[in-house]
Amino acid sequence: QSALTQPASVSGSPGQSITISCTGTSSDVGGYNYVSWYQQHPGKAPKLMIYDVSNRPSGVSNRFSGSKSGNTASLTISGLQAEDEADYYCSSYTSISTLVVFGGGTKLTVL
Amino acid sequence: QVQLVQSGAEVKKPGASVKIPCKASGYTFTSYYMHWVRQAPGQGLEWMGIINPSGGSTNYPQKFQGRVTMTRDTSTSTVYLELSGLSTEDTAVYYCARDNCDGDCFTYGFDIWGQGTMVTVSS
Repeated sequence: QSALTQPASVSGSPGQSITISCTGTSSDVGGYNYVSWYQQHPGKAPKLMIYDVSNRPSGVSNRFSGSKSGNTASLTISGLQAEDEADYYCSSYTSISTLVVFGGGTKLTVL
Repeated sequence: QVQLVQSGAEVKKPGASVKIPCKASGYTFTSYYMHWVRQAPGQGLEWMGIINPSGGSTNYPQKFQGRVTMTRDTSTSTVYLELSGLSTEDTAVYYCARDNCDGDCFTYGFDIWGQGTMVTVSS
């Protein structure tokens, strides 16, 4: 069982917006602004999409945005495109045991 | 360009050890902390620890303490992950990943990833 909880799957049609949630505790997501989001296509290494809750690395589309409320972080993808179909993982710094915890991942299907 | 290059796939017997190199290029090696993350087949991501390439200090989660060792060679800009006492549960792709923060700092966001090294543990 992963330390952070994500929905197993989400789906949306091209052009729509979707949001993926990532729920933790006050010892990780809720207590620190070190939440990151990764996109992973099959057979590929993960790609950083969001760091520090809402910052986008250079080169990442502004269709990707991040936010946080309490113990839950969210990744929103607007204007869905076929190439957005992938697995998405959240991660957070944690003050308990391991320094970094991941969510279990969410499979995004673009219908 | 900035990149991390890892070695090829490994097959090991239970009880053996594996040592995976990760060679950095295109940036100042000692300016960014490096993490290791693994992913078992069909599973999610699991953080294995962090090394400071400048001073060599490390931090491992309790799960791996006693079995994992991370080292670095500044002359070749290479970090290493060594995992001992392998079991079938260690079968996974192992990634090195650079922390996004430039300097003695962390975002715990990993902006550059190696291509991954598949380690298969089988008798």
